[in-house]
Amino acid sequence: GENVEQHPSTLSVQEGDSAVIKCTYSDSASNYFPWYKQELGKRPQLIIDIRSNVGEKKDQRIAVTLNKTAKHFSLHITETQPEDSAVYFCAAKYTGTASKLTFGTGTRLQVTL
Amino acid sequence: NAGVTQTPKFQVLKTGQSMTLQCAQDMNHEYMSWYRQDPGMGLRLIHYSVGAGITDQGEVPNGYNVSRSTTEDFPLRLLSAAPSQTSVYFCASRGAGTNYGYTFGSGTRLTVV
Repeated sequence: GENVEQHPSTLSVQEGDSAVIKCTYSDSASNYFPWYKQELGKRPQLIIDIRSNVGEKKDQRIAVTLNKTAKHFSLHITETQPEDSAVYFCAAKYTGTASKLTFGTGTRLQVTL
Repeated sequence: NAGVTQTPKFQVLKTGQSMTLQCAQDMNHEYMSWYRQDPGMGLRLIHYSVGAGITDQGEVPNGYNVSRSTTEDFPLRLLSAAPSQTSVYFCASRGAGTNYGYTFGSGTRLTVV
């Protein structure tokens, strides 16, 4: 089955700096890679996703890049703000399944003033 | 449109007791999943369903049963609760087609003593 590794487990940045979270996946047949943000005590919420036929996707201050050859994808947050503080999860969906997402173990991002 | 609704929000069980976690969605989504979230381990898939009458096991199915008699409902049953099942449980759903993004419920925090 699919295995997703996520690094780092914790990340502290100053407000205004950029943050990068990286994930690697094991199954080259995976074709969908979402990122979720989870605030303390809340549900995970989808913030951005990318499909295997795209190398990069941006949405305002967040972007995701995908390197299929190396089987890794990254989340980039620019101009970080205190409200970006949360746990971020990456995930991958194997192309042979309709609905199974495998999640990484999460990155706790702390944006300090 | 309530999205994905989970009940109860909190529950304390004694070892050996059984209970059902409820999950309902009003978006006519075909795909539904149950995840458990434990510190440092991300979200792990318990069971999932690709439509009414169809269910399958995820990566940690032992001790749990599911059924999908209607499109809207996907209950998770704990057969004989164990302390190892203390966790936060999330139900999620998504529609068919190329939009793979899952919508999560607000979660059930379960403690087994």
